[in-house]
Amino acid sequence: KNQVEQSPQSLIILEGKNCTLQCNYTVSPFSNLRWYKQDTGRGPVSLTIMTFSENTKSNGRYTATLDADTKQSSLHITASQLSDSASYICVVPQGAGNMLTFGGGTRLMVKP
Amino acid sequence: GAVVSQHPSRVICKSGTSVKIECRSLDFQATTMFWYRQFPKQSLMLMATSNEGSKATYEQGVEKDKFLINHASLTLSTLTVTSAHPEDSSFYICSACRDSGPYEQYFGPGTRLTVT
Repeated sequence: KNQVEQSPQSLIILEGKNCTLQCNYTVSPFSNLRWYKQDTGRGPVSLTIMTFSENTKSNGRYTATLDADTKQSSLHITASQLSDSASYICVVPQGAGNMLTFGGGTRLMVKP
Repeated sequence: GAVVSQHPSRVICKSGTSVKIECRSLDFQATTMFWYRQFPKQSLMLMATSNEGSKATYEQGVEKDKFLINHASLTLSTLTVTSAHPEDSSFYICSACRDSGPYEQYFGPGTRLTVT
């Protein structure tokens, strides 16, 4: 069964601190993994897309890693800002097709 | 970047009425669009796949006669919630796939439906 599991479910950090979110997947066949940021009451916005051959990819203060052998990914947020408060969703398509398997998300709250 | 819009962003309707939500790909053509529903503190759940010029494909447990989908053009898909009930209150999100170029789903900003 295709599954994407994220941890932690929720996280509270102080502004300026770093944090790392985890994603484990069992989707097969695998082609890529995506991290999205979803603000409350808004649609998901893409942060990174990582293909099978990529280990690390950065987008500003966001750095995603992928270990295709262990089927794990992480999203590291550096020097957090209040605007980083959101849900972060790990999404894995099944192969090259349209069907997406969504993780449950990590709700991040950054406090001043 | 690719932009997907939804209209309205918020809607309140009475039980028993119908409400239509539009999803538009603003700067690209999308043969395929998707409709998702998201309840509070939960992840997105796929309701149906909308294909331009053909019938939508519904996920198991989603009533096709209640959630009518029309994909009449390459840039517009509509979701009509018929005979709405309070339990239909949710956040509805669409996404669209480019017909060419990078293969990725672009999500709309969502529509908050409240049925009173």
